[in-house]
Amino acid sequence: SQTIHQWPATLVQPVGSPLSLECTVEGTSNPNLYWYRQAAGRGLQLLFYSVGIGQISSEVPQNLSASRPQDRQFILSSKKLLLSDSGFYLCAWSGLAANEETQYFGPGTRLLVL
Amino acid sequence: EDKVVQSPLSLVVHEGDTVTLNCSYEVTNFRSLLWYKQEKKAPTFLFMLTSSGIEKKSGRLSSILDKKELFSILNITATQTGDSAVYLCAVNFPGNTDKLIFGTGTRLQVFP
Repeated sequence: SQTIHQWPATLVQPVGSPLSLECTVEGTSNPNLYWYRQAAGRGLQLLFYSVGIGQISSEVPQNLSASRPQDRQFILSSKKLLLSDSGFYLCAWSGLAANEETQYFGPGTRLLVL
Repeated sequence: EDKVVQSPLSLVVHEGDTVTLNCSYEVTNFRSLLWYKQEKKAPTFLFMLTSSGIEKKSGRLSSILDKKELFSILNITATQTGDSAVYLCAVNFPGNTDKLIFGTGTRLQVFP
């Protein structure tokens, strides 16, 4: 079976500091990977998606970047955090191992920028 | 602009009540509609709907899609406190990958 991991679970960072959030998937190959942000009281906003190693598509202009150095690893980064980067960050995967159109979510990282 | 709208935004009921959550959408190309339940953390998958009029059922939860009127409903019968969560609706549209557009969710609170 497939599992998806995210870490850390919670992060408190000062404004202007760098960020690195990691997501890994087990039990499948060549998944599509996604990063979402959920601000308080709002829906999920797609930030990035990737269909393969080194292939990243950005959905919205922002202070963040993503990378996929390995098939089952997806990283969300920032060089300098802004207050508006606070939120709940969710990684998800989809692929042939499960219903291809369904996305399955990791446990999320709650980020607070002070 | 593609969008997904859920209603109500929030709902408070007592255990045993039946609730109906609504999701309407406007997308240029439709592939499927998905329902998720989000408690404290990650959304968990409930249903995927692709065809009109075919009810999907899982225990006390059921859902149906109307592709002509562009909406879906999620029904929960005999609600329990464990049903308290945010219910998210998302629409999948075809493209290079399976992107989802999410609604803002309906927050359901079930009190004993």
